[in-house]
Amino acid sequence: EAGVAQSPRYKIIEKRQSVAFWCNPISGHATLYWYQQILGQGPKLLIQFQNNGVVDDSQLPKDRFSAERLKGVDSTLKIQPAKLEDSAVYLCASSRDRVTYEQYFGPGTRLTVT
Amino acid sequence: DQQVKQNSPSLSVQEGRISILNCDYTNSMFDYFLWYKKYPAEGPTFLISISSIKDKNEDGRFTVFLNKSAKHLSLHIVPSQPGDSAVYFCAASWNQGGKLIFGQGTELSVKP
Repeated sequence: EAGVAQSPRYKIIEKRQSVAFWCNPISGHATLYWYQQILGQGPKLLIQFQNNGVVDDSQLPKDRFSAERLKGVDSTLKIQPAKLEDSAVYLCASSRDRVTYEQYFGPGTRLTVT
Repeated sequence: DQQVKQNSPSLSVQEGRISILNCDYTNSMFDYFLWYKKYPAEGPTFLISISSIKDKNEDGRFTVFLNKSAKHLSLHIVPSQPGDSAVYFCAASWNQGGKLIFGQGTELSVKP
């Protein structure tokens, strides 16, 4: 079974530029999560999707971050415009369904904003 | 508000000995706890979990203990192997799924 795929793996941009990350979850997993992991901290949830609907986006900075999962499979997370403090690893995770606790993570995208 | 805390940033253990990683939490609503292992440049990998109705769960060399009254859980690795060297994250959740609240992580180094 293929794991969670993410691209790109690394991205360097200047502040005020925009960037997009892509995630393809494990096949058949209905629930998809985006986490932000700042260096030295644990991952923090940004947004949770159930199929193509948003379940929790309370921690998403909506003035600059957006995410979509239009067909209920893969997802895109966008930052526009980026700030220096957005430098982090962006992790995508998926789980079989909304009531399953175990989440499976992709390799992440390391974003550096200069 | 740090609801899940791992107070030891690092731990060094000799190969073959026991590794004990600790985690404390403050939210009594948490009903499920998980441990993840992370190698550099990779995403966290699910290791073992425990429901709040249990006090112990074992899987091979890995055992997780939960002390609800103390709001404390620990991961025991016996015997420790050099390949266990990684960052270990404790995570908690509630209400059947949804977001995981992670601790800051403990970097385990197992020396040959």
